[in-house]
Amino acid sequence: NAGVTQTPKFRVLKTGQSMTLLCAQDMNHEYMYWYRQDPGMGLRLIHYSVGEGTTAKGEVPDGYNVSRLKKQNFLLGLESAAPSQTSVYFCASSRGGRTEAFFGQGTRLTVV
Amino acid sequence: RKEVEQDPGPFNVPEGATVAFNCTYSNSASQSFFWYRQDCRKEPKLLMSVYSSGNEDGRFTAQLNRASQYISLLIRDSKLSDSATYLCVVTTNQAGTALIFGKGTTLSVSS
Repeated sequence: NAGVTQTPKFRVLKTGQSMTLLCAQDMNHEYMYWYRQDPGMGLRLIHYSVGEGTTAKGEVPDGYNVSRLKKQNFLLGLESAAPSQTSVYFCASSRGGRTEAFFGQGTRLTVV
Repeated sequence: RKEVEQDPGPFNVPEGATVAFNCTYSNSASQSFFWYRQDCRKEPKLLMSVYSSGNEDGRFTAQLNRASQYISLLIRDSKLSDSATYLCVVTTNQAGTALIFGKGTTLSVSS
């Protein structure tokens, strides 16, 4: 079972470049989330979606955009990468808002 | 104030010790509570849900105190394999809300 798959797993970007992180889940979950994790800061919610075609801002949305065109996919975009966006990004999905969330393996992004 | 706050770590304990972590939450509308475990450089995984009546899973016991808005996790007879970061997670039952994570507490169990 694939569960939640993130692509890519590692990436190095130059300041100002753009990229899209892809999250795919095969569990037919309604909710999907993007978090970033930095040392000493824990997991912080960037954006989330409660269903196909919907998105909402989390705690730290600035500099990111998201789309949920298909139920199984949740895309996180960085239009103009900054060194402050160097982080580990985790995608997760859940059946509902108060059920267990399953995480992808993370994407380690470095912006130089 | 952060929505979810946890004991600062790290907790360094010997094998066999009992260790307890506390977590407080600020939103009184929070309805669902969880403990997740995260190993170094890995993704978080659900350890256990926390129910109003408290629940136990082997060496792990979770308690909820709604009046004081805190959650606890007790680990008995610590094993080396329990070394990890433990994340407290809360969510409200309001439509369209997301899971909110605490910063985590790091546990290191030594022989």
